[in-house]
Amino acid sequence: NAGVTQTPKFRVLKTGQSMTLLCAQDMNHEYMYWYRQDPGMGLRLIHYSVGEGTTAKGEVPDGYNVSRLKKQNFLLGLESAAPSQTSVYFCASSYPTGYEQYFGPGTRLTVT
Amino acid sequence: AQSVTQPDIHITVSEGASLELRCNYSYGATPYLFWYVQSPGQGLQLLLKYFSGDTLVQGIKGFEAEFKRSQSSFNLRKPSVHWSDAAEYFCAVANQAGTALIFGKGTTLSVSS
Repeated sequence: NAGVTQTPKFRVLKTGQSMTLLCAQDMNHEYMYWYRQDPGMGLRLIHYSVGEGTTAKGEVPDGYNVSRLKKQNFLLGLESAAPSQTSVYFCASSYPTGYEQYFGPGTRLTVT
Repeated sequence: AQSVTQPDIHITVSEGASLELRCNYSYGATPYLFWYVQSPGQGLQLLLKYFSGDTLVQGIKGFEAEFKRSQSSFNLRKPSVHWSDAAEYFCAVANQAGTALIFGKGTTLSVSS
């Protein structure tokens, strides 16, 4: 039982490049989330999904896209990376209502 | 709008001393409140949660928190801090729709010997 896993753990991109972050969970959770964590800012919600095939915007969605083609996976895409997207990205999952979320170990992304 | 405030950015406590981390929330109805801990380079781990009932909740690692509606607070406490408690602590409240957690900006705890 791995819980929530994220790949990759680290990534360096040049401005304008694209990439996809993968989140996988094996707890059969309905809800999944992507957050970004920046120093002194806490965690801010980027996008979330309340079920397979559904996605919704969070607090800071600009510059990101997501997809939830399978219940266990939630992908976060950056189409054209910018230095402002340098951050640590966390994925989380939960049962419906989102009242108790389980977090992955994070992906540290640097955009130069 | 819902919000969470953690007034202390950084706290240093001596090993063996007691700890209290402050959290204030803004929410109209009965809040669902959480404390998470993040060790360096790690993800977030749930310490404890409050949904309803007893206002003093016990969590893992010897932590407890008390919900005080009159003060809109949910402070985290531990009677005796260990060096391994050095980490960043986040307070969070669930949004009304139950689709997200709203986090405070975190308090970094350092433990001195």
